Amino acid sequence: NAGVMQNPRHLVRRRGQEARLRCSPMKGHSHVYWYRQLPEEGLKFMVYLQKENIIDESGMPKERFSAEFPKEGPSILRIQQVVRGDSAAYFCASSPGQVFNEKLFFGSGTQLSVL
Amino acid sequence: SQQGEEDPQALSIQEGENATMNCSYKTSINNLQWYRQNSGRGLVHLILIRSNEREKHSGRLRVTLDTSKKSSSLLITASRAADTASYFCATDPKGQGGSEKLVFGKGTKLTVNP
Repeated sequence: NAGVMQNPRHLVRRRGQEARLRCSPMKGHSHVYWYRQLPEEGLKFMVYLQKENIIDESGMPKERFSAEFPKEGPSILRIQQVVRGDSAAYFCASSPGQVFNEKLFFGSGTQLSVL
Repeated sequence: SQQGEEDPQALSIQEGENATMNCSYKTSINNLQWYRQNSGRGLVHLILIRSNEREKHSGRLRVTLDTSKKSSSLLITASRAADTASYFCATDPKGQGGSEKLVFGKGTKLTVNP
């Protein structure tokens, strides 16, 4: 059973370009979470999705950021018109149920660098 | 908002010694979890302790939870160089209105010297 798969592992973009980060949850997991981590910092919650639904996007910037988890295929975190401040490690995690009862399984992350 | 705060921020010990990390949080919780992160990697779950539990063991790990003080501690006994990593506590605050998510602290960076 493969773990949470994230790609790409590293992504370099110039200011103004779009970044697309992909996450395939573990088989059987229907809950997906995206977190952002700056150097020497903890993880900051961005968005929580279930299949075809955004449950909580309270941690997402209001502009330029969007996320989806379609019925088929991976979850996508999309950042439009990237700026240098978007440079960070973006982690996806999945769980089979809600976290009051379950642990999270994390991917290895996508390191986004904006030039 | 930051729910958990780990203490100390950094800890350096010799192999064989015990390492203790603390976590304080602000609101009532359903559970508290500890994760480990090796440099440049994703987080790995270590242990989950529920709000009605006071202590839990897993191998060389011992976790305590004091809900009256809103604090938890992670003890790693007989540390090894391979335990070098950052350790994060994460809480599942109550009353999130159906949006159950984990909120992470900033972590403790543990270095175990051989």
